[in-house]
Amino acid sequence: AQRVTQPEKLLSVFKGAPVELKCNYSYSGSPELFWYVQYSRQRLQLLLRHISRESIKGFTADLNKGETSFHLKKPFAQEEDSAMYYCALIRNAGNNRKLIWGLGTSLAVNP
Amino acid sequence: DAGITQSPRHKVTETGTPVTLRCHQTENHRYMYWYRQDPGHGLRLIHYSYGVKDTDKGEVSDGYSVSRSKTEDFLLTLESATSSQTSVYFCAISELVGTGRNTIYFGEGSWLTVV
Repeated sequence: AQRVTQPEKLLSVFKGAPVELKCNYSYSGSPELFWYVQYSRQRLQLLLRHISRESIKGFTADLNKGETSFHLKKPFAQEEDSAMYYCALIRNAGNNRKLIWGLGTSLAVNP
Repeated sequence: DAGITQSPRHKVTETGTPVTLRCHQTENHRYMYWYRQDPGHGLRLIHYSYGVKDTDKGEVSDGYSVSRSKTEDFLLTLESATSSQTSVYFCAISELVGTGRNTIYFGEGSWLTVV
């Protein structure tokens, strides 16, 4: 079964501490993975996609096919990083093109 | 931000009444989606569309119907609203542009309360 798992519902860290939000996936094929962020009562915004290998707002994520993981990391958390983070992968099969979502991790960065 | 507009943004309605949410895009994207977001459930797909008049069910489609008569508009209808449909509804759009460049863009959400 195709699935995205985010094992932590809530992650609380102090400002300046490193943060890692975990994401594991199950997919029969080459996955195309994303991280989305949702600030309070706002739309979901694309944060990262694994293909681009870019760093956005200090966050990075590396696809580890051996461990089927796509963890999101930031070396020094900021208070403005407090938000809901969703990991997702795209599934393409004919006309069926959908994102498979994790349940999200709420990140709280404390002063 | 991608050109996606949802309306209404907030609505309170009574149980048993019909409700229609509208999603309008200016990106000419082929794929459009309706999700609902609830605490503890994350995002759940209600219906999606892969072209004009082409729609399919998602994982929580019961009680909802959709229509897409134009590329730019995707309507979500609750035929007879129930309290369990109180939620935040997000529209999203996507286009298949090639590996590594696919992205799904979201609207700002519609807060629906059924009393």
